Amino acid sequence: QLQLQESGPGLVKPSETLSLTCTVSGGSISSSSYYWGWIRQPPGKGLEWIGSIYYSGSTYYNPSLKSRVTISVDTSKNQFSLKLSSVTAADTAVYYCARLRVFGVGWAGNWGQGTLVTVSS
Amino acid sequence: EIVLTQSPGTLSLSPGERATLSCRASQSVSSSYLAWYQQKPGQAPRLLIYGASSRATGIPDRFSGSGSGTDFTLTISRLEPEDFAVYYCQQYGSSPCTFGQGTKLEIK
Repeated sequence: QLQLQESGPGLVKPSETLSLTCTVSGGSISSSSYYWGWIRQPPGKGLEWIGSIYYSGSTYYNPSLKSRVTISVDTSKNQFSLKLSSVTAADTAVYYCARLRVFGVGWAGNWGQGTLVTVSS
Repeated sequence: EIVLTQSPGTLSLSPGERATLSCRASQSVSSSYLAWYQQKPGQAPRLLIYGASSRATGIPDRFSGSGSGTDFTLTISRLEPEDFAVYYCQQYGSSPCTFGQGTKLEIK
């Protein structure tokens, strides 16, 4: 059964870079049928797609965050990662990694449990 | 980007009743690329419906999706106690994919 697990610091200082990794188990990240993405949810609010990556390394970002986001993939480790630079309190959220089926931008059929990242000094 | 507006914001119903949730898009969603998710407190969202009307694996048949263009509906035919949660729609036909603001389904 496919599982996704986010890992990374739970506290990041303003203006620094948020870094998270998602480890995929029970399936290969090199599948041609899926994107691997990051979605976030500020406390008490709705969902926001951050961006996605294909196993080949092709990336797709939300224009609202594009200037600050980098998503990368390491197929040898079955992992993909998120970097979000110059964070502010507005970036405080639960960050989910997800597997998205390759139709359009994709629907998210599998999710990690999520990790809360707080931006605070 | 496509803006999705869900209504109502909160729906109060009793177990056994029928629930109808709406998702309206600011422009046509291509190829009916619309999904529905259920989220319970402290949990990740769970995919219910994709392609506007296809149930995801393991989803009970009391959940059904319909619609096309700009108007989509999630129907829960007979509410079970475990169905009370927040529901989100998502369009994935154009980038960036976007989510609605959610409908909270609460026990009356």
